[in-house]
Amino acid sequence: EAQVTQNPRYLITVTGKKLTVTCSQNMNHEYMSWYRQDPGLGLRQIYYSMNVEVTDKGDVPEGYKVSRKEKRNFPLILESPSPNQTSLYFCASSLRRHVADTQYFGPGTRLTVL
Amino acid sequence: AQSVTQLGSHVSVSEGALVLLRCNYSSSVPPYLFWYVQYPNQGLQLLLKYTSAATLVKGINGFEAEFKKSETSFHLTKPSAHMSDAAEYFCAVTTYSSASKIIFGSGTRLSIRP
Repeated sequence: EAQVTQNPRYLITVTGKKLTVTCSQNMNHEYMSWYRQDPGLGLRQIYYSMNVEVTDKGDVPEGYKVSRKEKRNFPLILESPSPNQTSLYFCASSLRRHVADTQYFGPGTRLTVL
Repeated sequence: AQSVTQLGSHVSVSEGALVLLRCNYSSSVPPYLFWYVQYPNQGLQLLLKYTSAATLVKGINGFEAEFKKSETSFHLTKPSAHMSDAAEYFCAVTTYSSASKIIFGSGTRLSIRP
């Protein structure tokens, strides 16, 4: 089944404890992206990747890191999480970096930073 | 830079009634517009998209949207609401020159009354 998977789905952590949220797609998509969803703000793009080893900042990159060493994986790293990073995170992918391409979203990761 | 505004954070309609969710965009170049739907505890999925072809776009589940350049609008409609349409809906905009980035609206929660 074609899908985007994220792990973990739920995570509660404490301030400053490094964490990684994994994202994997099995559709051989070139483009992958991370978003955070906050009430009243919709989705905001954190980072995106147009292909292996090619990443760039979105609108809210502060406090996050990403890497794209393999085409299928695009982990999101929070090296020193803070409470303002409590949010619902989505990973998405699309076949190409093209405006008309449909993005396919993962099920989300709900992160709470205490 | 582009932006999108969704009017009404919450819309409630009766089952069988017309659904109208409003979206206005701002873009200095021709936009590409999307509507995504998010069911409870799930990721987003594409309902429909406008990519400069026909101005009336038909999507899944009986939804459609009309691109009106003069009004800078891309409102989502469905003639007859079903209980299963209850979800959050997001309008999004991008352009050819910024195809790696997409801007989402703040979302509209649709409730259906029996």
